[in-house]
Amino acid sequence: DIQMTQSPSSLSASVGDRVTITCRASQGVGDDLGWYQQKPGKAPKRLIYATSRLQSGVPSRFSGSGSGTEFTLTISSVQPEDFATYYCLQYISYPWTFGQGTKVEIK
Amino acid sequence: EVQLVQSGAEVKKPGESLKISCKGSGYSFTSYWIAWVRQMPEKGLEWMGTIYPGDSDTRYSPSFQGQVTISVDKSISTAYLQWSSLKASDTATYFCARQLWTTSGWNPFDYWGQGALVTVSS
Repeated sequence: DIQMTQSPSSLSASVGDRVTITCRASQGVGDDLGWYQQKPGKAPKRLIYATSRLQSGVPSRFSGSGSGTEFTLTISSVQPEDFATYYCLQYISYPWTFGQGTKVEIK
Repeated sequence: EVQLVQSGAEVKKPGESLKISCKGSGYSFTSYWIAWVRQMPEKGLEWMGTIYPGDSDTRYSPSFQGQVTISVDKSISTAYLQWSSLKASDTATYFCARQLWTTSGWNPFDYWGQGALVTVSS
């Protein structure tokens, strides 16, 4: 199985801060990497797929980059509604695997 | 409007069987795979397996192979996740999500069900 390691596990940020979350894969996943946002008690919501493609309707302050084994989700100016847990997902090979999650909290 | 609507919360005892459902609407149900994702309390997301309603082709994560069964009834656009003998450790929220295979590769999990909480307790 491909292991996905996110860092940090949690972070505190103020509204307007730039936030960066990293996801590292135990082996190359090409660009088959997505990012999901989950709020408590809700289903995950797709933000990014194919490393950098923004899901329709998602604000442009979210962006994704990377390739191979290292990927980044950036929120250029974090807003109150962005405080949530974020997960990366590799889908190059079964079993698809998620990172352990990064909780973004208000400072 | 694309929707995946899951069956409701369940409370079961260890050893009991259970089948939960995920009904798709607003799109061509037989064109998209349906996956199941587990989230144990206060934990992360785990991919369990996926099924293609067009021909019932099914793939399981090794972690869940033999522990659950994924099935589909395409006549009613519904996928299922079932257990023959529940354990306390099966307590979790289970999500379904759709995935599409294209000539450019996978388009993963753009729509999700609302989740179904399964509680297993004596």
